Amino acid sequence: NAGVTQTPKFQVLKTGQSMTLQCAQDMNHEYMSWYRQDPGMGLRLIHYSVGAGITDQGEVPNGYNVSRSTTEDFPLRLLSAAPSQTSVYFCASSPSAGGEQYFGPGTRLTVT
Amino acid sequence: GENVEQHPSTLSVQEGDSAVIKCTYSDSASNYFPWYKQELGKRPQLIIDIRSNVGEKKDQRIAVTLNKTAKHFSLHITETQPEDSAVYFCSASIRQGGKLIFGQGTELSVKP
Repeated sequence: NAGVTQTPKFQVLKTGQSMTLQCAQDMNHEYMSWYRQDPGMGLRLIHYSVGAGITDQGEVPNGYNVSRSTTEDFPLRLLSAAPSQTSVYFCASSPSAGGEQYFGPGTRLTVT
Repeated sequence: GENVEQHPSTLSVQEGDSAVIKCTYSDSASNYFPWYKQELGKRPQLIIDIRSNVGEKKDQRIAVTLNKTAKHFSLHITETQPEDSAVYFCSASIRQGGKLIFGQGTELSVKP
């Protein structure tokens, strides 16, 4: 199993550009989440999904969209990138509610 | 809203000493409390977790305690080693649905 994979590893965007961060898992996990990590602020939940076709907002959802058309994939879309979205983004999956979260390797995004 | 507070933000100990990291949570419905370790440049990984029907759990040099009444939980590392140096995150699962909220993190430094 590859576990949780994320692409790209690094990305530089200009303000106003849009892009999609990809996340996939091959463990048949129902639950998937996106977090952003900024120095001194821990991991903040952006959006999460409890299964295909179901998504919900986390702590910091503004400026991001998600969809979950399959169990395996959970892409994160930045609609119009802003410098405040410069961060490291982690995708995670879990087999159940209240279960261990398995994190992907992260995507380092810089918005100039 | 839901909140997890973590203290201290940095902790420096001598090799062989104990380290304690404390967290509080706001939602009394929380029932799952995992701890994650993140080494520099890597993804967070689960080191221990506890559920609300248990007051204490131990795994070798690591233990976690939970006080549901006070909404406190703590991580205890005994006989610290330099390889324990990392950032540690507490987290709490708020209600159902896999929504996991993290504390701000504690940077632990173990000096040889």
